[in-house]
This record gives sequence, structure tokens and C-alpha cells, in this order.
Amino acid sequence: AQSVTQLGSHVSVSEGALVLLRCNYSSSVPPYLFWYVQYPNQGLQLLLKYTTGATLVKGINGFEAEFKKSETSFHLTKPSAHMSDAAEYFCAVSESPNAGNMLTFGGGTRLMVKP
Amino acid sequence: DAGITQSPRHKVTETGTPVTLRCHQTENHRYMYWYRQDPGHGLRLIHYSYGVKDTDKGEVSDGYSVSRSKTEDFLLTLESATSSQTSVYFCAISESSSGGPYLPEQFFGPGTRLTVL
Repeated sequence: AQSVTQLGSHVSVSEGALVLLRCNYSSSVPPYLFWYVQYPNQGLQLLLKYTTGATLVKGINGFEAEFKKSETSFHLTKPSAHMSDAAEYFCAVSESPNAGNMLTFGGGTRLMVKP
Repeated sequence: DAGITQSPRHKVTETGTPVTLRCHQTENHRYMYWYRQDPGHGLRLIHYSYGVKDTDKGEVSDGYSVSRSKTEDFLLTLESATSSQTSVYFCAISESSSGGPYLPEQFFGPGTRLTVL
């Protein structure tokens, strides 16, 4: 069975500071990994994904994540936080490929950006 | 944005009443899902569908049923709502491929906020 752990349910950074949101997963097979972002009162939006190939993945809004198999991690980073980055972020894992494209989500990390 | 709508967007109901939430897609995607979102739990899968009339249970299916009579519509029913079913419900869709590379991601609707008093 696969699982996802997001360390820190709340993360606070200053505007312009580095954003680092942590995600560790467990999977018995090579995983597909995802980060989603949820703005207040909205649905989830795909930020980036790792399937195969390059382990450093770039997404929208300046975010990127690196798949590290040895550490079973897929941490999300952004060099400089903007106020508009304040949202909740979800990491998800999928066994690749699988019937039904099933995803397992982490508990989420709420990012707060201070002016 | 993926063409996914959910209705109603907000609903307040009383314990013991039946409730049906609707998810409608215009993408002709094969897979559809219902999740509930609660603080600290992320998203938990309630039911999903592989196609018309083809559904299966997810992690938290007790108290919920689903139906899919058309590709574009996926209904979630709470036969007798309870206060523990107060939550935000999200529909999602996915398609393995569209003649190209494998596409494992899911796309989400805007959500329905349900309050059971």
C-alpha cells in the first residue's frame, strides 16, 4: 500500500524567502508523484508532476520539485515566495501505471506568506 | 481548465434527509472520482468509476452510494445524511491517455460544501 507524509501542516515564510514544503512517500513500485495547490474556496490545481525521466521537475508559478528515490522524497521548493503563493498544498502518489489512475494524498500543508 | 462542474456548490440539510451531489464533465474522460476533504485528512476517496455503470468503493464509502448512467455525469448520494458527513466534496476526472503519452493526473471540480445539521 502506498502512503504520503507531508511534514508540517502549517508553514510560514516571509515574502521573498525560500519556500520548502516536504513530502515523503512509500510505494512498493516506482511511483508517479504530484503536487497540487488549493486556493481558498477552490478545487485542487495541478502544480507539477513526476512520471519518468528528469528527476527535477518544474511546474507553474515558479515552483519545482525533485524526486529523490533514495530518500523517498518529493519536496516542493520556490526560491522567492510571493503573497499570492498563500494556499494549501497537497502531495500525492500513484503507482505507475495503474488502472483507474488512483491517487493517495498527503494531509496537506498550509503555506502562509508574511509581508 | 478542465470542464468540470459540481452542483450544488453549497447545501445545508438536516440529519436523516437524503442528499444527491452531481458532478458533470465535458471532457469525455473515462474515470471519475468523489472525494471528501476534512481538516488534517487531506482528500479521501469515497467512490470512483471506470465507466458507465462501472463503479467501485474507495477508502471511506460507508453511508455513500454513487451512480453513473452517462459518461459525463457522476452522482453521489447520501441516503440518510449524518453530521459526520459535513464536509467539502470534490469530484475529479482522469483519462489514461488521449492517443498520446500516459496521463496519470486527476483534474478537480470546484467542490460542494455540505453542512448536515
